[in-house]
Amino acid sequence: SAVISQKPSRDICQRGTSLTIQCQVDSQVTMMFWYRQQPGQSLTLIATANQGSEATYESGFVIDKFPISRPNLTFSTLTVSNMSPEDSSIYLCSVGSGNEQYFGPGTRLTVT
Amino acid sequence: TQLLEQSPQFLSIQEGENLTVYCNSSSVFSSLQWYRQEPGEGPVLLVTVVTGGEVKKLKRLTFQFGDARKDSSLHITAAQPGDTGLYLCAGAWSGGSNYKLTFGKGTLLTVNP
Repeated sequence: SAVISQKPSRDICQRGTSLTIQCQVDSQVTMMFWYRQQPGQSLTLIATANQGSEATYESGFVIDKFPISRPNLTFSTLTVSNMSPEDSSIYLCSVGSGNEQYFGPGTRLTVT
Repeated sequence: TQLLEQSPQFLSIQEGENLTVYCNSSSVFSSLQWYRQEPGEGPVLLVTVVTGGEVKKLKRLTFQFGDARKDSSLHITAAQPGDTGLYLCAGAWSGGSNYKLTFGKGTLLTVNP
């Protein structure tokens, strides 16, 4: 399994601003995934990030709102842009495949 | 859209009791995973099942994958307060990309001492 860290662990932001979340893995991985977990809800996949190519976004998520970078095989960032209170969620990155995925501790975002 | 229905949504039991959590779908999954998530943490992988009818045991936890690979169950024997958490099932749909997971809504388990 991989060890995954995320920064920040939590933040409180004002509406209209943007926040960039970092995800660092202790080993090189091909695929990294970004999920959103809204309060009391399950995990929803935002996008898949492969190194050297543009991220692939799931239905309902767009690059302008959630730009993703993947500069190398151990690091990725997710930006939540022009935030509104509806963006208040836990954002999680993960690595692995369909058979096994390993998650970071999450970033708890509150938008006021 | 491939959906995973989990039941029950909430479960509160006393220490020492047994419980079963269910995960059902109308879709066939190539594999199914169970995760446990504690407050302030990301989900932690407990087990992956890939073969229809497969049964896996992890100490007091027993996981079963249905013969048709459309459903799964998690049984906990003699539950302990340390078992408290959100239990999530997640499946990789056999008809789609082999890396994408669909998550159920979770079962929030509370084990009271």
